[in-house]
Amino acid sequence: EAGVTQSPTHLIKTRGQQATLRCSPISGHTSVYWYQQALGLGLQFLLWYDEGEERNRGNFPPRFSGRQFPNYSSELNVNALELEDSALYLCASSPGEGSSGNTIYFGEGSWLTVV
Amino acid sequence: QQPVQSPQAVILREGEDAVINCSSSKALYSVHWYRQKHGEAPVFLMILLKGGEQKGHEKISASFNEKKQQSSLYLTASQLSYSGTYFCGTPNNAGNMLTFGGGTRLMVKP
Repeated sequence: EAGVTQSPTHLIKTRGQQATLRCSPISGHTSVYWYQQALGLGLQFLLWYDEGEERNRGNFPPRFSGRQFPNYSSELNVNALELEDSALYLCASSPGEGSSGNTIYFGEGSWLTVV
Repeated sequence: QQPVQSPQAVILREGEDAVINCSSSKALYSVHWYRQKHGEAPVFLMILLKGGEQKGHEKISASFNEKKQQSSLYLTASQLSYSGTYFCGTPNNAGNMLTFGGGTRLMVKP
């Protein structure tokens, strides 16, 4: 069974540009989570999508946005990139209805470098 | 609120034991433990759902004390493969997202 897949693996953008990251959840999972992991730091919650809707977002500015498609895949958009947006962006999925009792499974991540 | 992990880093020799703690300032209903090796995705280790519950994964076990609002991860007879950063995750009040601790970096040396 395929795990969570993310693309691209690496992305280099210039400050002020926009970045789009993509995620395909494990088959049968309806919830998708996005986390930001800056170099050497912990996992900061960004967004949670379930059944096509944004269910929760972390403490990030509105230029971080995303969506979930009917096939449950998701994309994360970061507008007006800033240098401090450079990080590993991890996508995770779970069967749905929140993560309290559900294990979330992470993808390999997308490395975003802003120069 | 983010759970607090301690210690921040541990260096062990192969075969030694280690304990990683995770504490929360709010009531805990579950605790999730993950390990992330350098350059890789975090990998699920175990979830603890009940107070006092202990679970094991190979020689890695964990306990969950609801009253103390904390969980501990026990690594017994550590192996080189245990090296990595360990994260604990706790759900928010609505139970719809995990907030992770800052991580504990574990290095096992031969």
